[in-house]
Amino acid sequence: AQSVTQPDIHITVSEGASLELRCNYSYGATPYLFWYVQSPGQGLQLLLKYFSGDTLVQGIKGFEAEFKRSQSSFNLRKPSVHWSDAAEYFCAVGQGDTDKLIFGTGTRLQVFP
Amino acid sequence: DSGVTQTPKHLITATGQRVTLRCSPRSGDLSVYWYQQSLDQGLQFLIQYYNGEERAKGNILERFSAQQFPDLHSELNLSSLELGDSALYFCASSTRGDRANSPLHFGNGTRLTVT
Repeated sequence: AQSVTQPDIHITVSEGASLELRCNYSYGATPYLFWYVQSPGQGLQLLLKYFSGDTLVQGIKGFEAEFKRSQSSFNLRKPSVHWSDAAEYFCAVGQGDTDKLIFGTGTRLQVFP
Repeated sequence: DSGVTQTPKHLITATGQRVTLRCSPRSGDLSVYWYQQSLDQGLQFLIQYYNGEERAKGNILERFSAQQFPDLHSELNLSSLELGDSALYFCASSTRGDRANSPLHFGNGTRLTVT
């Protein structure tokens, strides 16, 4: 069965520092991979997605993610974090013939000034 | 703004009661999904409807049911509520229901508190 693992429950960084959030997936075929962000009291907003092609994908708000098939990973990165990036981040994998997404348990990002 | 509207935003009710959560998808989206978000279970897929028909079912309890109406809005009915049903319930919509590369657009959720 498909699954997504986000090994880091909580990450704290200083504003201006670089960020990498880890995501590992388990899926037999070529996965469709997504990163979503959830701010307090809000729904989930799509940051970026990977379907095929270039393994480095660019998203909104200056985020990017790299698909590494050999490592079954899809890590999210940002070179310089802003205080407004504090939120919960979810990695998700899409399944074959439906739009249903399987989500990881999320990583809560805290940003210190 | 994702274009997905969920009502109500908050709901407080007692154990044993029944509630209905409503979702209006983005204009043009045919597929609606319901997810439950709780502290201990994370984001759990409940059910999907596509153009009025049930398409996929996840970890949805028998006490819960949903439907999608001809105007494409959807309702999630929760009955015989228990304390453990307290959670944030999200609705999401997508253009199609049959391709994993069609991103989901989420509403802001309904926070259900069962006392």
